Amino acid sequence: SSELTQDPGVSVALGQTVTITCQGDRLRRDYASWYQQKPGQAPLLVFFGKNNRPSGIPDRFSGSASGNTASLTITGAQAEDEADYYCNSRDNRGDHVVFGGGTRLTVL
Amino acid sequence: QVQLVQPGTEVKEPGASVKLSCKASGYSFTKFFIHWVRQAPGQGLEWMGIINPTSGGAYPAPQFQGRVTMNRDTSTSTVFMELSSLRSDDAAVYYCAREHSDGWPTFDFWGQGTVVTVSS
Repeated sequence: SSELTQDPGVSVALGQTVTITCQGDRLRRDYASWYQQKPGQAPLLVFFGKNNRPSGIPDRFSGSASGNTASLTITGAQAEDEADYYCNSRDNRGDHVVFGGGTRLTVL
Repeated sequence: QVQLVQPGTEVKEPGASVKLSCKASGYSFTKFFIHWVRQAPGQGLEWMGIINPTSGGAYPAPQFQGRVTMNRDTSTSTVFMELSSLRSDDAAVYYCAREHSDGWPTFDFWGQGTVVTVSS
């Protein structure tokens, strides 16, 4: 089992706001990074650190952290945001990389 | 622009080894670590290890120690990952990813992945 826990699936109505969460003990000390993956494509970094969005990522993607939970929020979800979303961070010992199990976002 | 180029497919028999390549371009090769991540069909992402292109030092994830070897060729800006004693559950897409300058585990650029099929 992963040291980072994500809900398997989340849905959102077009244009509404959705938050995808990632839980793990290590997240009390480290930030998570977030990746979007569409079918047949490589993952794409969409948010990382305290408040960093890579160039080219729409500003409707934002991140936050509280306690053992990291969150990725999409404000005004678009059809093209339908994808799998993965978080990652260090493992509890701090010397390996771990990924959450992924959340499939459905835009209705 | 930053690119990580990987071959498309590899087909191997059980028990064999596969050596995957990842050719970097568009940035200074020795300034960014490279990670390997795999994804079995319909499954999530699994971290396999990291290589320092400057020193060649590599660190496989615990579950792959003894089966994974990573190295690099600085003359061609290419990193390699060899997985030995292949089993059917090693069938997956294998990605290389560049570590962000802020450090790991943020991966800012990914290759398109190599599909590895394990079949007799």
